[in-house]
Amino acid sequence: TQLLEQSPQFLSIQEGENLTVYCNSSSVFSSLQWYRQEPGEGPVLLVTVVTGGEVKKLKRLTFQFGDARKDSSLHITAAQPGDTGLYLCAGAGYSGGSNYKLTFGKGTLLTVNP
Amino acid sequence: DTGVSQNPRHKITKRGQNVTFRCDPISEHNRLYWYRQTLGQGPEFLTYFQNEAQLEKSRLLSDRFSAERPKGSFSTLEIQRTEQGDSAMYLCASSQGGGAYEQYFGPGTRLTVT
Repeated sequence: TQLLEQSPQFLSIQEGENLTVYCNSSSVFSSLQWYRQEPGEGPVLLVTVVTGGEVKKLKRLTFQFGDARKDSSLHITAAQPGDTGLYLCAGAGYSGGSNYKLTFGKGTLLTVNP
Repeated sequence: DTGVSQNPRHKITKRGQNVTFRCDPISEHNRLYWYRQTLGQGPEFLTYFQNEAQLEKSRLLSDRFSAERPKGSFSTLEIQRTEQGDSAMYLCASSQGGGAYEQYFGPGTRLTVT
């Protein structure tokens, strides 16, 4: 059983469209991170959310942490081909455990077509 | 800021051989982590160090795997008697102090066991 479930698993859209991807768990996390990974490279940190209900914006990307700190979403406005990649969510400190070990979802593979 | 570096980037080895990977973290970061990522999966935690002390190891880290961080700077991950199931991307990450959950990843070492 995956601790962090990401959906959808695959998403292919046209340039200019909006999209939302989800990261859900039945466990509480002390923090949650979103990463983007390109083929053959390591994940690149996009944002960290810590407080339940927190919303953070990074240009066209909006990240939200659920009130109960069990889920998160990433919304991209007016997607561009450069947004193509694997979006991973990762939680730390689930159910009061170690803050130093990240637990990752399987990711959402996003393709933005020109 | 030079980021996390890993060497080699790619390694092809025959089953039964030993391999060693190196990770150089961001210079002021005192925590260093190793993860493994297989195709279609998110990274999975293997182990982490605070300075030179190895503080946690995953059950995934069998006795064929050993990691060291002798002077609290760079780290090595050795796999003895490699098996085809060891084929994966090995990722290193580092973090600093209180923001331990903000981990910055290197580009990874892609291991192929033939």
